[in-house]
Amino acid sequence: GQQVMQIPQYQHVQEGEDFTTYCNSSTTLSNIQWYKQRPGGHPVFLIQLVKSGEVKKQKRLTFQFGEAKKNSSLHITATQTTDVGTYFCAGFYFGNEKLTFGTGTRLTIIP
Amino acid sequence: DSGVTQTPKHLITATGQRVTLRCSPRSGDLSVYWYQQSLDQGLQFLIQYYNGEERAKGNILERFSAQQFPDLHSELNLSSLELGDSALYFCASSVEGRDSPLHFGNGTRLTVT
Repeated sequence: GQQVMQIPQYQHVQEGEDFTTYCNSSTTLSNIQWYKQRPGGHPVFLIQLVKSGEVKKQKRLTFQFGEAKKNSSLHITATQTTDVGTYFCAGFYFGNEKLTFGTGTRLTIIP
Repeated sequence: DSGVTQTPKHLITATGQRVTLRCSPRSGDLSVYWYQQSLDQGLQFLIQYYNGEERAKGNILERFSAQQFPDLHSELNLSSLELGDSALYFCASSVEGRDSPLHFGNGTRLTVT
């Protein structure tokens, strides 16, 4: 079936360290989106990647979409306490209207 | 504020009962999605509507049903509730559906006792 896996499930980092979460699909994706959910909050859209090999940056966040459009990554440089939360990737598959969310990576920051 | 309104915020009910969750999408958004999030779990897709019509269906139980009305608000009906139905139910809306960012409401926390 169409599933989106994310690793790691949990990540604890010291403030100031970098963080990366990886997203993998067994099937080619039409596009991929990234969301952040703060503890007790709702998912908030961060970015969408559409093209093969696309790289986008938002301040300390770098998003990549793989050449085969089956994987993606989110890298945060020099984490801050405000980065705490769960990061989800979510993908649309060709011919399918539903947005499938990955399993999420929960990031905690040690001050 | 995402512009998506969900009511009620909290709901506590007993097993076997029926509840209705309501969602008003952002102004101008035609597509509404429903997701279920159990404690510390991911987001499980339930169903999607676009301009009043069902567009996609996930692993939604037969005890659950939904619809989108002409004014574009949506309702999720959960019946014969079981303890395992306790979860956070999110509604999200987007402009068109595919390839559009989803804007989530604050969710309805359902507790079945």
